[in-house]
Amino acid sequence: AQTVTQSQPEMSVQEAETVTLSCTYDTSESDYYLFWYKQPPSRQMILVIRQEAYKQQNATENRFSVNFQKAAKSFSLKISDSQLGDAAMYFCAYRSADNNNDMRFGAGTRLTVKP
Amino acid sequence: NAGVTQTPKFQVLKTGQSMTLQCAQDMNHEYMSWYRQDPGMGLRLIHYSVGAGITDQGEVPNGYNVSRSTTEDFPLRLLSAAPSQTSVYFCASSYSWAAPNSPLHFGNGTRLTVT
Repeated sequence: AQTVTQSQPEMSVQEAETVTLSCTYDTSESDYYLFWYKQPPSRQMILVIRQEAYKQQNATENRFSVNFQKAAKSFSLKISDSQLGDAAMYFCAYRSADNNNDMRFGAGTRLTVKP
Repeated sequence: NAGVTQTPKFQVLKTGQSMTLQCAQDMNHEYMSWYRQDPGMGLRLIHYSVGAGITDQGEVPNGYNVSRSTTEDFPLRLLSAAPSQTSVYFCASSYSWAAPNSPLHFGNGTRLTVT
C-alpha cells in the first residue's frame, strides 16, 4: 500500500516570510494525484493545492506552490509571504489513478506563524 | 450551498453503546467516504461508497457499518463502541470516484469520546 510521510511534525515561520513543508511518498505506480490540505483550528479540511503526476509543471495557487519531484517521490509545499491565517495543520495526500477509492494521508505538519 | 454536513459535532459514549454519525451532501456527489483522524496518524479510510447501494471497506473498517440508500446520505454506525474508537471522524465526498483528480470535500468532523 502507498504510504505518505511528513517528516516535520511542527514548523514555524515569521509573518511575511517563506516556509516549505516536506512530503514524501512511496508508490510503484506511475499515474497518481497529490494534494495538500489545510486544517485550521476550526477542524475544517480545506484543499490548498493539487498536482497530477503526469504533469511536469509544478502547481501554483496564489501564495502556495509545490515542488514536485517524481523520481524522488517528493511533493513539498511552499508558502510565500506567510500570513497569520496560514497557521494550521497541513496534510499531504496521495490518490492512485488506478485504485482511486483510497486517499492516503500523511501524519500532518503543524505550522505556526509568528507575528 | 451547505456542502457536506455532519452531525453531531461532539459525542460521548460509554463502552458498548451504539450510535450513528450522520453525513449528508447536497452536491450530487457520487463518492462518499468516512475517515478517522488520530494524533500522529493523519486520516485513515474507514468505509466508502461509489454510489447509492454500493459500499466497501477501507483501511480500518472493523467496528463500523455503513449504508448508502440515497446519493445524499452516508451514515456511519458504531454497533458497540470501544475506547479505541475515540477519534475525530470526517465524512468526505467527491464528484466522481472515476475522477481521482477531483478533490475531497470534507464535513466539519465529529469528535467522539468513548469512556
